[in-house]
Amino acid sequence: DVKVTQSSRYLVKRTGEKVFLECVQDMDHENMFWYRQDPGLGLRLIYFSYDVKMKEKGDIPEGYSVSREKKERFSLILESASTNQTSMYLCASGTAGANVLTFGAGSRLTVL
Amino acid sequence: GDSVTQMEGPVTLSEEAFLTINCTYTATGYPSLFWYVQYPGEGLQLLLKATKADDKGSNKGFEATYRKETTSFHLEKGSVQVSDSAVYFCALGNYGGSQGNLIFGKGTKLSVKP
Repeated sequence: DVKVTQSSRYLVKRTGEKVFLECVQDMDHENMFWYRQDPGLGLRLIYFSYDVKMKEKGDIPEGYSVSREKKERFSLILESASTNQTSMYLCASGTAGANVLTFGAGSRLTVL
Repeated sequence: GDSVTQMEGPVTLSEEAFLTINCTYTATGYPSLFWYVQYPGEGLQLLLKATKADDKGSNKGFEATYRKETTSFHLEKGSVQVSDSAVYFCALGNYGGSQGNLIFGKGTKLSVKP
């Protein structure tokens, strides 16, 4: 019973390409998050959203944008991918104020 | 700002050994504390949580006690198994409003040998 689905597990893109990472949750959660995971750095928050069409910058938003047109879907966009964006990207969702997050399996992006 | 510090790994143990992974935090107010686990090739899963001082979270033989006086939330298990090999993340949640964001430690990789 998968609850947070990230559409792509592995992607390989070239420098300068536009990249879309899609995340869908089926738990009717208000909050959705995009984290980046790198060895030795743990998880760092890129963007989050607490409502449809609402977004807030996290700790490392530079080079990224997001879209949330429907409650269940939260997209991460790399307008012009760079090699330093090679990473594992984790989507999560949660109920407002509950602090408990459910994570997707992750999308491993390689930018050449 | 709020932060979480956990012991660096990797940690390598033999099966049935005792496990402790240290976690300390800095936060204003009264945060909730969490341990998440990431098995190879998977996303993070909630392992256990504690929402107030002196609470003990437990799951799958793992335990952690919320110690406000030492600002700690150390993870323990009395007898580890090979299947416990994973990366463990300590996390803090300190936003009681709508946002529900978590701040994570850097993770501790545990390898358990047969």
